[in-house]
Amino acid sequence: DAKTTQPTSMDCAEGRAANLPCNHSTISGNEYVYWYRQIHSQGPQYIIHGLKNNETNEMASLIITEDRKSSTLILPHATLRDTAVYYCIVRAINRDDKIIFGKGTRLHILP
Amino acid sequence: SQTIHQWPATLVQPVGSPLSLECTVEGTSNPNLYWYRQAAGRGLQLLFYSVGIGQISSEVPQNLSASRPQDRQFILSSKKLLLSDSGFYLCAWRQGQETQYFGPGTRLLVL
Repeated sequence: DAKTTQPTSMDCAEGRAANLPCNHSTISGNEYVYWYRQIHSQGPQYIIHGLKNNETNEMASLIITEDRKSSTLILPHATLRDTAVYYCIVRAINRDDKIIFGKGTRLHILP
Repeated sequence: SQTIHQWPATLVQPVGSPLSLECTVEGTSNPNLYWYRQAAGRGLQLLFYSVGIGQISSEVPQNLSASRPQDRQFILSSKKLLLSDSGFYLCAWRQGQETQYFGPGTRLLVL
């Protein structure tokens, strides 16, 4: 089973920041938080990951709470092309560790 | 840079026919390789993963099998397709502790 809990769906107005929450209350000390997204009929796309510090790249920002039990993915200026299912995943750093995907959050960007 | 290829992109097969889907990775060596399936409107289900040539781990009992004849080649097969085998098949790779990346997928329709 997936170790994360996400809302089933969310709406966000185009041009606004999209904030996608994720709960991972049973996360272990050696587990990273990863975010992927899947646009319809495409393979999942890696967005960002982090361990305990906040991270930012050209796509998004990742805010991880101090106790690491939850995180938020932020898309700073959402566009219609950001409409997708967003998956939050926790993953240990063992070589043969497998990624288990949950159901994700379906993000609708509204024009 | 690394790239991952899957073919065919789409496939329509009759029930009872054999299946062979191929995945190849370029630009890396000794990657972990993964096969996922996504049924319509569902999440991603891990089917198989491989940490090396000839090493295959199956995650769920099913009508499919996987093989890894070369370091960067991963094949998904079936001797006799079932209707329930329809879905979107995704191959993914990961190098050591790095991020997992997905291919473009193969959409399979069994009639």
